[in-house]
Amino acid sequence: DVKVTQSSRYLVKRTGEKVFLECVQDMDHENMFWYRQDPGLGLRLIYFSYDVKMKEKGDIPEGYSVSREKKERFSLILESASTNQTSMYLCASRTRLASGWGTGELFFGEGSRLTVL
Amino acid sequence: GENVEQHPSTLSVQEGDSAVIKCTYSDSASNYFPWYKQELGKRPQLIIDIRSNVGEKKDQRIAVTLNKTAKHFSLHITETQPEDSAVYFCAASRLSTSGTYKYIFGTGTRLKVLA
Repeated sequence: DVKVTQSSRYLVKRTGEKVFLECVQDMDHENMFWYRQDPGLGLRLIYFSYDVKMKEKGDIPEGYSVSREKKERFSLILESASTNQTSMYLCASRTRLASGWGTGELFFGEGSRLTVL
Repeated sequence: GENVEQHPSTLSVQEGDSAVIKCTYSDSASNYFPWYKQELGKRPQLIIDIRSNVGEKKDQRIAVTLNKTAKHFSLHITETQPEDSAVYFCAASRLSTSGTYKYIFGTGTRLKVLA
């Protein structure tokens, strides 16, 4: 059974704090993604990693960084949390795709709801 | 950049009726279009998908249609049941600078099936 686990379901942090969100997958997937979910805005891609130590910015990377030192673990880092980063954060993983086709199921974690006060 | 528009944002139907959710995309190079269902408090899960070389795909009560010329794709749910109540997201693939495909998601449709 596939499993993507996010370390914290709920977090409350103060403005300016450094925040780490951790994600672990047990499917030996090459690709991992961080999305944020906000009402009316859908799922927006923050960063993704296509292999160990490899990363690429998504559509809203400002204020975030990521780390992927091991294949199974992908961390999202908020260097200095701000109130506009209050959101639900979803991690997902996917196996490497056959070339030429953008197909492939994303397996999501249960999400981390972050509140920044 | 790539944009995926999704309509309607909310949809209420009577149990047993059909529901249709529509999406449009802007990147003609998109070649894969998945649909995800997110029940309240749960993670999004893939329910159906379609490649750009196919016009329609069915899986029991759900179907997806694709019109490449118009850059439209739609989710059709027939004989709706209360357990179909959820938020549905469409997505379109987009090739990134690293050669990895990423998905651009629509803004979601909250479907309510009324008993």
